[in-house]
Amino acid sequence: GEDVEQSLFLSVREGDSSVINCTYTDSSSTYLYWYKQEPGAGLQLLTYIFSNMDMKQDQRLTVLLNKKDKHLSLRIADTQTGDSAIYFCAERGGGYQKVTFGTGTKLQVIP
Amino acid sequence: DGGITQSPKYLFRKEGQNVTLSCEQNLNHDAMYWYRQDPGQGLRLIYYSQIVNDFQKGDIAEGYSVSREKKESFPLTVTSAQKNPTAFYLCASSIATAGEPKQFFGPGTRLTVL
Repeated sequence: GEDVEQSLFLSVREGDSSVINCTYTDSSSTYLYWYKQEPGAGLQLLTYIFSNMDMKQDQRLTVLLNKKDKHLSLRIADTQTGDSAIYFCAERGGGYQKVTFGTGTKLQVIP
Repeated sequence: DGGITQSPKYLFRKEGQNVTLSCEQNLNHDAMYWYRQDPGQGLRLIYYSQIVNDFQKGDIAEGYSVSREKKESFPLTVTSAQKNPTAFYLCASSIATAGEPKQFFGPGTRLTVL
């Protein structure tokens, strides 16, 4: 079946850039997503990219997609303490209702 | 305000009891989903429904049941057959078309079995 993998933890200093990486196995992925989850809360959709795109930028967020290597990344510029959260990578493919989530990367921002 | 509500936020259950988690949305979305979240495992799909009176099993449906009698409501029952029900449960909804990529999530219910 489909698999999405992420590293579990990332620590950065406030003001630096954060890069969260994700790899996936489904070659038929149509959309790839980044969600943010704050403690005890639901998931908030941050951004998504269609599989025929290489890059998408939205204010401090930059998403890069390498479809050949099935690698997705999320770059957060000028990381703030409010960015501390768990970030989930997800992909949709093989039927629009099926979204596969990664294990989440916990981002810790050090003041 | 439009959105998804889940209740209760915290739920405690004794072993052997069934318990029902509520999920309501006023986004006029056709599709609704239930996920289970465990530490270090991401989200796993329990059940989903694309239309009223119809639903399908996800990856971990055993020990759970759902109903979809109204478009805005998709309650999840955790039965006594679920062997390890302690987890964080998330409900989501989306427009049910192939071209619409966004799922919106509720705030979650944390279930603890005593």
